[in-house]
Amino acid sequence: GAGVSQTPSNKVTEKGKYVELRCDPISGHTALYWYRQSLGQGPEFLIYFQGTGAADDSGLPNDRFFAVRPEGSVSTLKIQRTERGDSAVYLCASSLSGLRLGTEQFFGPGTRLTVL
Amino acid sequence: KQEVTQIPAALSVPEGENLVLNCSFTDSAIYNLQWFRQDPGKGLTSLLLIQSSQREQTSGRLNASLDKSSGRSTLYIAASQPGDSATYLCAVRKYSGGYQKVTFGTGTKLQVIP
Repeated sequence: GAGVSQTPSNKVTEKGKYVELRCDPISGHTALYWYRQSLGQGPEFLIYFQGTGAADDSGLPNDRFFAVRPEGSVSTLKIQRTERGDSAVYLCASSLSGLRLGTEQFFGPGTRLTVL
Repeated sequence: KQEVTQIPAALSVPEGENLVLNCSFTDSAIYNLQWFRQDPGKGLTSLLLIQSSQREQTSGRLNASLDKSSGRSTLYIAASQPGDSATYLCAVRKYSGGYQKVTFGTGTKLQVIP
């Protein structure tokens, strides 16, 4: 039934490696969001999907970051050539619709990424 | 660019006290505002969502108000309990031309002392 789930919960990688972070939204939620949260900061918007398409990817910091949602459900955030500055908690959220007034976002527990 | 500020950054109160957390934003053309709590090492739990046309929302001991024209929201917690200890975040959503922007504040870390 569940809420938003994210895997893995923790990921440690070496500088320069490629990582994939997965998000399973609440069933039936058409909108999906990725955020990045650094220590002591609020979440920072990365990208928003409405269905299968990225409606707004203006928060992605550079072209090393990419996200997909091929079937309009599960999403994967992909980071190439990781850098130490990518270390953060990556949060995923979903909502019934991104466009309807009053829609709430429901967050997953996050993936803590550590780049050594 | 929307900027969201939360004051204070940290707050420590004795159990039973009523308290107010503040959130201010620079662009008043928002779609809605949402308050969350975040426990250490966990994701965010939604507390209250206020639509831009609303003035306040209540849930149990929590009351959130919104003054869009002045760019302010407050979260009032009545009769605080140790279980309320967490970081409280506000987030504003702006909707423009099919695109959405959600901007979070940096949070207020609350400690309720038994």
